[in-house]
Amino acid sequence: AQSVTQLDSQVPVFEEAPVELRCNYSSSVSVYLFWYVQYPNQGLQLLLKYLSGSTLVKGINGFEAEFNKSQTSFHLRKPSVHISDTAEYFCAVADSSYKLIFGSGTRLLVRP
Amino acid sequence: DAGVIQSPRHEVTEMGQEVTLRCKPISGHDYLFWYRQTMMRGLELLIYFNNNVPIDDSGMPEDRFSAKMPNASFSTLKIQPSEPRDSAVYFCASSPGTGIEQYFGPGTRLTVT
Repeated sequence: AQSVTQLDSQVPVFEEAPVELRCNYSSSVSVYLFWYVQYPNQGLQLLLKYLSGSTLVKGINGFEAEFNKSQTSFHLRKPSVHISDTAEYFCAVADSSYKLIFGSGTRLLVRP
Repeated sequence: DAGVIQSPRHEVTEMGQEVTLRCKPISGHDYLFWYRQTMMRGLELLIYFNNNVPIDDSGMPEDRFSAKMPNASFSTLKIQPSEPRDSAVYFCASSPGTGIEQYFGPGTRLTVT
């Protein structure tokens, strides 16, 4: 069975600092990987996705993630965060069954 | 593109009442998913449809929950009778033909007192 682990429940960071949100997954088959962002009282918005090809994936709002098959990781990074990036971030994995398995989420708190 | 539309956005009801949540997927999307989000259990997939046909309902918690998709532009999730432990945010998502990339609605916050 697939699973997703987001070890950090909350990550505080100062504005304009870099940030990395960690995501590890377990799966015995080829996977598709996603990062979603959820702003307060809103639905989930797709940030970026890895389906195949280049392991470095660029998404919206300046975020990027790198697929590392040997470490079964898909960490999300941004070189310089803004106050507006404060939100909950979810990593998710899917296989060919199209079912998304979500991690528990990481709350990114950007401080001025 | 209007995105996935859900109604109502908020629902407060008393235990034992029937609750119906509604979803309009993005036009042309073949897949529709219903999720539930709680603090304790996070995001859980309840059921998903492909071309209006239920494919996997293994996440539906119990018989009190039912979902239908009578046509390509409308789906309902019904809880009858509702219980306080059903309080959660319910999301609908849709996906194009591949079924991989999902687009979420704004959610319905359900409170059962």
